[in-house]
Amino acid sequence: GAGVSQSPSNKVTEKGKDVELRCDPISGHTALYWYRQSLGQGLEFLIYFQGNSAPDKSGLPSDRFSAERTGGSVSTLTIQRTQQEDSAVYLCASSRSGFDGYTFGSGTRLTVV
Amino acid sequence: DQQVKQNSPSLSVQEGRISILNCDYTNSMFDYFLWYKKYPAEGPTFLISISSIKDKNEDGRFTVFLNKSAKHLSLHIVPSQPGDSAVYFCAASAMEYGNKLVFGAGTILRVKS
Repeated sequence: GAGVSQSPSNKVTEKGKDVELRCDPISGHTALYWYRQSLGQGLEFLIYFQGNSAPDKSGLPSDRFSAERTGGSVSTLTIQRTQQEDSAVYLCASSRSGFDGYTFGSGTRLTVV
Repeated sequence: DQQVKQNSPSLSVQEGRISILNCDYTNSMFDYFLWYKKYPAEGPTFLISISSIKDKNEDGRFTVFLNKSAKHLSLHIVPSQPGDSAVYFCAASAMEYGNKLVFGAGTILRVKS
């Protein structure tokens, strides 16, 4: 597609349930990033994939969070046993090279009730 | 510990006048700075960037100024247009962070016609 696609756009889940968020990057973009934005906060880095290299997971807030990128394309962010503090907008971005080429998706708004 | 701070949550400007959005940072290792613009229900889009070797970068109506000694950068929009109404995020990067960007919390700009 022409842009970064994220699904679902909105997700409401009960505390304790697992959720999966999906990101389809721009074709040909080798780098993929996950960020999240909590209310009143800036974008918080979560994880970064670059080609076939091991992902940089340094931003994942707890071991309940994991992400994978299959075939160097689609990525899934999984949150297990969701907590209310996980409520945020989760943004995916892809890049061909450098920061100027960051293209963000529209995000998934996650609400944990 | 917020390394990138946008202390003004919002700014209101009359159409045709100058908009000045400010950003302060604490990490002297940051060497590249970017501004992103975000409309509701959309992902942030890249606007303009500046390397730490420069103190000014201009692109049409948008100019970014960098004051390294003060660890301060600003985005000037002149003349402001109603379509500029959006959330503006300041972001910074450093070699030690690899390709990760550190974002501020954003400033909501409203341009009144």
